Amino acid sequence: RKEVEQDPGPFNVPEGATVAFNCTYSNSASQSFFWYRQDCRKEPKLLMSVYSSGNEDGRFTAQLNRASQYISLLIRDSKLSDSATYLCVVNYNTDKLIFGTGTRLQVFP
Amino acid sequence: ETGVTQTPRHLVMGMTNKKSLKCEQHLGHNAMYWYKQSAKKPLELMFVYSLEERVENNSVPSRFSPECPNSSHLFLHLHTLQPEDSALYLCASSLWDGNEQFFGPGTRLTVL
Repeated sequence: RKEVEQDPGPFNVPEGATVAFNCTYSNSASQSFFWYRQDCRKEPKLLMSVYSSGNEDGRFTAQLNRASQYISLLIRDSKLSDSATYLCVVNYNTDKLIFGTGTRLQVFP
Repeated sequence: ETGVTQTPRHLVMGMTNKKSLKCEQHLGHNAMYWYKQSAKKPLELMFVYSLEERVENNSVPSRFSPECPNSSHLFLHLHTLQPEDSALYLCASSLWDGNEQFFGPGTRLTVL
């Protein structure tokens, strides 16, 4: 099993749609979880950290399910500018982050 | 300048050349990283430095040689590279290793 696994997509959704991505991780001892966004040919940028209780930032909601070892990202009211690759990131031990391969999102008019 | 900067942004080199990539962070972080990103592959961690000491070396070939002279600067020295080393090389920093990381814009390297 891969350490961090994501559906590569692409997810093609119309503007205004709600879309959700899941990510599974293999290390049950992982403590830190993040979602990053990467635009084409650009560097990854931190979108949000994922907390045990779940957290929301505007149109973005992140959830953590420790029992099933997955995290999710929900995007409401999708905008054209949300088109990007979304990377799931999990810490491995205490000093290393593992990046997933990313899920590509394409929002169309 | 703020954040994490990298130079050069683009580099084309022959297999016999020697070049260096530079990374600088202005965030007061204590850990710095080198990643390689090839097309359609996940980020590959190459090196981790924490408080200027190398704490991770992910079986990277010796033709890549990192240097961390202080907590704000990180170099990646390149020599006798292969065409398959062509990729985007990303530098990142974090307050401590294991915390969320902030990336530089990357150096797009092409080896001819």
